[in-house]
Amino acid sequence: QVQLQESGPGLVKPSQTLSLTCTVSGGSISSGSYYWSWIRQPAGKGLEWIGRIYTSGSTNYNPSLKSRVTISVDTSKNQFSLKLSSVTAADTAVYYCAVDGYNGGGDAFDIWGQGTMVTVSS
Amino acid sequence: EIVMTQSPATLSVSPGERATLSCRASQSVSSNLAWYQQKPGQAPRLLIYGASTRATGIPARFSGSGSGTEFTLTISSLQSEDFAVYYCQQYNNWPPKYTFGQGTKLEIK
Repeated sequence: QVQLQESGPGLVKPSQTLSLTCTVSGGSISSGSYYWSWIRQPAGKGLEWIGRIYTSGSTNYNPSLKSRVTISVDTSKNQFSLKLSSVTAADTAVYYCAVDGYNGGGDAFDIWGQGTMVTVSS
Repeated sequence: EIVMTQSPATLSVSPGERATLSCRASQSVSSNLAWYQQKPGQAPRLLIYGASTRATGIPARFSGSGSGTEFTLTISSLQSEDFAVYYCQQYNNWPPKYTFGQGTKLEIK
């Protein structure tokens, strides 16, 4: 059973770059035709899709964040990563990694990581 | 951007009763609609995809219906573990800009 685990700093200073990694276990990130996504959720609020990467390396980003987001994949480490530049307090949120359709869920996000809290503060 | 609107914001229902949650899309998303359940401190869990297909391991008391712009999640007989926040999500766009509803909190009456 594939599992996802986010990791990275829990505190980032304003104007700096937020960097997170999602490690895939129990399966290969390069097997099959799946999109690996990042999603975030500010405390007490709803979910926002940030972007996704295909195993080939092709990416799609939320237009509202596109100028600040980079998602990359490292198949040798079975990981994919998120970089969000020029962060402000508005970027404070729980960040999730997820995959769509891995467990037969069509194009919906059927496997999620547990999430990691990132606070933007000086 | 496709805006997803859920109603009601909060729904109070007694255990054993039926709960009906609604989700409306600002434009047609065909059947590209998913429902998630989220409990405090946990990641969302996929319940329904393709508007009406239960995800792996989801009990039969959860059912989804609708297409186009109007969708419904029904929980036929509420169990204690079903009290949570529920989100709908569309995945119809190309290029993708997946959007979620603001959530419906299902609470014990």
